[in-house]
Amino acid sequence: GQQVMQIPQYQHVQEGEDFTTYCNSSTTLSNIQWYKQRPGGHPVFLIQLVKSGEVKKQKRLTFQFGEAKKNSSLHITATQTTDVGTYFCALDRGSTLGRLYFGRGTQLTVWP
Amino acid sequence: GAVVSQHPSWVICKSGTSVKIECRSLDFQATTMFWYRQFPKQSLMLMATSNEGSKATYEQGVEKDKFLINHASLTLSTLTVTSAHPEDSSFYICSASRLAGYTDTQYFGPGTRLTVL
Repeated sequence: GQQVMQIPQYQHVQEGEDFTTYCNSSTTLSNIQWYKQRPGGHPVFLIQLVKSGEVKKQKRLTFQFGEAKKNSSLHITATQTTDVGTYFCALDRGSTLGRLYFGRGTQLTVWP
Repeated sequence: GAVVSQHPSWVICKSGTSVKIECRSLDFQATTMFWYRQFPKQSLMLMATSNEGSKATYEQGVEKDKFLINHASLTLSTLTVTSAHPEDSSFYICSASRLAGYTDTQYFGPGTRLTVL
């Protein structure tokens, strides 16, 4: 089935630095979702991207979906300590909406 | 926003016992819920799709007799780990779909941490 590679696995940044995580697939995706999981917490939905070349912003977070719909990125500008957590991309497996395949995640650590 | 609850939040049990985990959608009806498991420092792995009023659909490699799922109502799904063993120790998370406009949004429960001794 469809799989997605997510890199990097870990990222350590100084507060104020930028951060980017990438998800890449060998096949064309119908959509991609992004989630954030705080340490000890559960995944929280951030956004869903559907259109080719789509760019969406949420305050300091910028989400992109590639033109070929095979890759996506999440960029955080000027990280804050509240951004700490693991960021996952997830694919809808189809057949039933909500059957998600999660990437391995990028664990972000922000040093004050 | 939509809330999904899980009970218990953590459980410790002896090897060979069965453990039931409840997942409830508190302010919306969910015809479909999903069960995931997550090992430490790893990603979420989908175990099964829980369908209200019908049998659950299990992902490849997940033993249906080991992980019993019952979706008794539009707001409740239960996962029973039967004859639990230490290798079943994990973080179990459910999610529920809520239709909002033209998109389905997944809401995740807070998770249940199972430790089997």
